[in-house]
Amino acid sequence: KAGVTQTPRYLIKTRGQQVTLSCSPISGHRSVSWYQQTPGQGLQFLFEYFSETQRNKGNFPGRFSGRQFSNSRSEMNVSTLELGDSALYLCASSYLAGAYNEQFFGPGTRLTVL
Amino acid sequence: KNEVEQSPQNLTAQEGEFITINCSYSVGISALHWLQQHPGGGIVSLFMLSSGKKKHGRLIATINIQEKHSSLHITASHPRDSAVYICAVRGGSGGGADGLTFGKGTHLIIQP
Repeated sequence: KAGVTQTPRYLIKTRGQQVTLSCSPISGHRSVSWYQQTPGQGLQFLFEYFSETQRNKGNFPGRFSGRQFSNSRSEMNVSTLELGDSALYLCASSYLAGAYNEQFFGPGTRLTVL
Repeated sequence: KNEVEQSPQNLTAQEGEFITINCSYSVGISALHWLQQHPGGGIVSLFMLSSGKKKHGRLIATINIQEKHSSLHITASHPRDSAVYICAVRGGSGGGADGLTFGKGTHLIIQP
């Protein structure tokens, strides 16, 4: 069974631009969560989606948004990029949403904002 | 908001040593995860616990819900165990009103 895939793996943008990252979950998994990892703040939760609905959202500004499609694939979008948005963005999928479901992580998208 | 503290932050040990990494949290939780992250960023889920103890190969994870504390043990450590180990917790509602809250990680180096 294929793992979680994320595209692109690396991305360089400039301040003010917007970016869209994509995540394809493990086949059969219906929940996708997104995380941001930076050297200063570590790992932080962004969003959780299940069956095309956002269930949870972390403490990030409205510039960060996401969605999930009917095939469970998910995208996240960051508008008006800032230097501080440079990070590794990870997505994870699980069969169901909620606390008792093991999450499987993708390799991440490394975003650099210049 | 749950505060997750891990100790130690850095640990260097010799091959074969018994390793313990600790995690404490401030608010009751539904579940606790132990994750492993190798250089390059890939994260692997090692354990998910809501009570008691789990074992997988040379890895053992325990949780004490009353004391809000969990430990990850590695027996007969090996250089390939070198990685960052991250503790993460999920809120007490069970349904997961919040996403995961992460510790800062423990950077483990096992020397041959």
